[in-house]
Amino acid sequence: AQSVAQPEDQVNVAEGNPLTVKCTYSVSGNPYLFWYVQYPNRGLQFLLKYITGDNLVKGSYGFEAEFNKSQTSFHLKKPSALVSDSALYFCAVRDPNSGNTPLVFGKGTRLSVIA
Amino acid sequence: EAQVTQNPRYLITVTGKKLTVTCSQNMNHEYMSWYRQDPGLGLRQIYYSMNVEVTDKGDVPEGYKVSRKEKRNFPLILESPSPNQTSLYFCASSPRTVPGELFFGEGSRLTVL
Repeated sequence: AQSVAQPEDQVNVAEGNPLTVKCTYSVSGNPYLFWYVQYPNRGLQFLLKYITGDNLVKGSYGFEAEFNKSQTSFHLKKPSALVSDSALYFCAVRDPNSGNTPLVFGKGTRLSVIA
Repeated sequence: EAQVTQNPRYLITVTGKKLTVTCSQNMNHEYMSWYRQDPGLGLRQIYYSMNVEVTDKGDVPEGYKVSRKEKRNFPLILESPSPNQTSLYFCASSPRTVPGELFFGEGSRLTVL
């Protein structure tokens, strides 16, 4: 069975500093990995995905994520945080070899960027 | 504009009164899904549909029904709502060619008294 863990409920970072939101996963084969962001009172928005290829994936709003197969991780990063990045972030995983198994989401990490 | 539209956005109802939350997408996506979001539990999938007339249970289907008679619409039906179904509900869709890259609606906040 596939699963994903976001070990931090909350991450606080000062504006201008680099940020990292952690995600680890468990699937039997090679995963499809995703990051989504949810701003207050809004639906989730797709940020980026890893399907295959380069381990460093770039996405929207200056975010990037690094796929690390040996550590089964897919941490979300940004070199310089903005106050407007404050939101709830979800990591998600899908095993492409498991038929119609849908996307499994982590519980979310709330990012707070302080001015 | 490409979008997923849910209605109603907010609803307060009473136990046992049937309700339907509609979901419509204008992107011709094959895949549609319903999630509920609860504090500390993240998003949990209720039902999903790979295409017209094809629906499957997700992780928490009890107390819900869905139908997929048309490609664009995927309503969520609560036949007899109970207070434990008080939650924030999201509909999402994606093209079959890009599984997992979901487009979400704005959410429907449901309160069952």
